[in-house]
Amino acid sequence: EAQVTQNPRYLITVTGKKLTVTCSQNMNHEYMSWYRQDPGLGLRQIYYSMNVEVTDKGDVPEGYKVSRKEKRNFPLILESPSPNQTSLYFCASSPGRMGNEQFFGPGTRLTVL
Amino acid sequence: DQQVKQNSPSLSVQEGRISILNCDYTNSMFDYFLWYKKYPAEGPTFLISISSIKDKNEDGRFTVFLNKSAKHLSLHIVPSQPGDSAVYFCAARAQKLVFGQGTRLTINP
Repeated sequence: EAQVTQNPRYLITVTGKKLTVTCSQNMNHEYMSWYRQDPGLGLRQIYYSMNVEVTDKGDVPEGYKVSRKEKRNFPLILESPSPNQTSLYFCASSPGRMGNEQFFGPGTRLTVL
Repeated sequence: DQQVKQNSPSLSVQEGRISILNCDYTNSMFDYFLWYKKYPAEGPTFLISISSIKDKNEDGRFTVFLNKSAKHLSLHIVPSQPGDSAVYFCAARAQKLVFGQGTRLTINP
């Protein structure tokens, strides 16, 4: 089954404790992206990747890091999480251009205390 | 700077009637528009799209209309069904996708 998977689905952590949210897709898509969803703000792009070893900042990259060492995986790293990073996070992938139809993962709800 | 706006946070419609969700944008460079549907505890899923060279695209009960002069996009669902209750996001593409804030649609039996 073609899908985007994210882990963990739910995470409660404390300020400053490094964490990684994993994302994997099995559709051989070149493009992958991370979004955060906040009430009243919709989906905002954090980082994106056009291919292996090619990543770039989205609209709200502060406090986040990413890496793309393999085509299928695109982890999101929070080196020192803060409460304002409490949010619902989605990973997405798409074939071709980044602006094409994207396939989203199920989401990770992160709470930073 | 919100380039894509969905000004109605919520919409309630009777089952069987038409649901109309609206979206406005400011960037005239957008060349492709999409609608996504999101159920609770799931990621958004693609619903329907339209190129900027068209003014209408239809797929079953779903029709998207594009008015470029007004920079306005709308999604019509007819007839509305209880399973259509979800949050709907419009998105527009320049070099990347820009999403609106979402509209929560509730279909009442």
